[in-house]
This record gives sequence, structure tokens and C-alpha cells, in this order.
Amino acid sequence: EPEVTQTPSHQVTQMGQEVILRCVPISNHLYFYWYRQILGQKVEFLVSFYNNEISEKSEIFDDQFSVERPDGSNFTLKIRSTKLEDSAMYFCASRVTGLSSYEQYFGPGTRLTVT
Amino acid sequence: SQQGEEDPQALSIQEGENATMNCSYKTSINNLQWYRQNSGRGLVHLILIRSNEREKHSGRLRVTLDTSKKSSSLLITASRAADTASYFCATDEDDYKLSFGAGTTVTVRA
Repeated sequence: EPEVTQTPSHQVTQMGQEVILRCVPISNHLYFYWYRQILGQKVEFLVSFYNNEISEKSEIFDDQFSVERPDGSNFTLKIRSTKLEDSAMYFCASRVTGLSSYEQYFGPGTRLTVT
Repeated sequence: SQQGEEDPQALSIQEGENATMNCSYKTSINNLQWYRQNSGRGLVHLILIRSNEREKHSGRLRVTLDTSKKSSSLLITASRAADTASYFCATDEDDYKLSFGAGTTVTVRA
């Protein structure tokens, strides 16, 4: 069964460093998302992406964050200058477009630890 | 906006028993989805119920939706140790994002 994949599974970085989290969505999906979950808290929406542009972003998704679909398969989240509070599990998700199907399928996540 | 909120926060049951958890939300939705998360792992999609549906089944899962009360329930029948996980409801107001609740942690005792 097709699935969303994410790399790396765990990333440790120092405060102020840039990180890029990578995702490969399901191949026929057209909507892409990033969410994050701080330990013990809710899953929070960060950004959605469709047709090579951001559809919606949350307040969390400030100028330090950016997303890109550099080729036909990858979808990346970049954090330019990481802060301690960016430590969280980051989930990528994708969804097939169309009226009949709204399931979002999530990847296994990247655990980001900022020290 | 804060949407799905699950109740109870935690549930401990014996293997073979049923587990029921509820979700309430605040605004109109297109659909409601339930996800499972094993400790420290990813989110696994369980079931989606559309706003014009009242009940849906998938294997040992039964989901109900009451749009007049803005609530949903997830029933897991004949629970197994492998069902131990956190369960989240997520509401979909538009095409762009899901809003998650805080989750119900279910522990199934052997």
C-alpha cells in the first residue's frame, strides 16, 4: 500500500542552525501538509501546499519556515534558524484531490531536537 | 480555531471489552476523521465520516456523528492489547487543514 515517507526519522541540531525535513508524499496526491506535535501536546497544523504554492498557513508558520516541492516527488520543510521551542515531531501528510476523498495520510514523522 | 476535543482523556480497559471515546467540535465541518498514534510514532488514519453520514463501520471500529450536537464517538469492539494507543479526532473545515483534539489514551490490559 502506498505510504508517505519522511527523512530523517530523528534530527538533532543546535539552536540557530538551519534544518530541512524531507517528505515523499503518495505519488498521485496533490495536496501536501506539514503538522507538528510538541511532546505531550496536540497535533498542530503548520502549512498546506497545492499547485506549487501555499494554500494556508498557521500563525506558527512564520518567516523562519518555508516549504518547497523541488521536484516531482519531494516536499520539504525548512526552518532557517532553529529555536529550542521548535523541538517537536514534524509530520508530513498528503491527500488526493477530488470531492470523494478527503483522507489525509500521514508519514511516520521526524523528531526534531534543538539543543 | 480549536476544534475536536476528546473525552475521556484516558481510558483503561480489559482485553475483550469495548472502548468508547467521544469528540466534540465547535464549527461546521465537511468531515471528521479518527486517527491512532502509538507512543512516539506516526498518525494512522482509521476512518472518515462525512457530515451527511450518521454512522460508519470499519472492522471492529464504529463511528457515529451527530452534527446537531457537534459530536462524534469512536467505539472499538472486542479490544486487543495492540489497540493500546492514543486516539485523535480531527475535523476538516475546508480543503486545507485538519484540526486535532488532544486525544484519548487507551490502555488495554491483557
